[in-house]
Amino acid sequence: QKEVEQDPGPLSVPEGAIVSLNCTYSNSAFQYFMWYRQYSRKGPELLMYTYSSGNKEDGRFTAQVDKSSKYISLFIRDSQPSDSATYLCAMGYSSGYSTLTFGKGTMLLVSP
Amino acid sequence: DTEVTQTPKHLVMGMTNKKSLKCEQHMGHRAMYWYKQKAKKPPELMFVYSYEKLSINESVPSRFSPECPNSSLLNLHLHALQPEDSALYLCASSQAGGSTDTQYFGPGTRLTVL
Repeated sequence: QKEVEQDPGPLSVPEGAIVSLNCTYSNSAFQYFMWYRQYSRKGPELLMYTYSSGNKEDGRFTAQVDKSSKYISLFIRDSQPSDSATYLCAMGYSSGYSTLTFGKGTMLLVSP
Repeated sequence: DTEVTQTPKHLVMGMTNKKSLKCEQHMGHRAMYWYKQKAKKPPELMFVYSYEKLSINESVPSRFSPECPNSSLLNLHLHALQPEDSALYLCASSQAGGSTDTQYFGPGTRLTVL
């Protein structure tokens, strides 16, 4: 079993849909959880980060972490064509520097 | 400001060339990272510097040579690369330790080796 599992998609939705992206993990040592958005041929952009179980909301984005189930989610409300990108989940812990483990990334396509 | 800058944006080099990639951050971060990313794959860690000292070298071939001149700058020196080294090279930085140690990435340098 890989440390982080993420469905690569692609996930195709119409504009305005609610999108749910998910990752599961096996390493209980992870201290923090991130979602990055990456447009084609660009660097990953940090979207959301959280350190505890529960929900964190920022505009149209909600990050959810369930440490007991080792499951994280990213919800996008009122999806827009500009949300079309690859979404990478990442999980990490620190020991003088950050050690991240990435999911494979889910490609999201939002059609007008 | 959560900006990490990288130069150049694009680089084409022959297998006998020597070139360098540059990365800069002014967020006061004390850890800096080099990643390599191939198409449709997640970033793959190459090197980590923490407080200007090399902390991790993920068994990267010696044709890649990192350098951290100070806490804001990170270089990657390239020599005698192979065509399979063509990829997006990403720099990232973080605070270095603590529960808020999130990594911020630069835009990347797209490297093509002919």
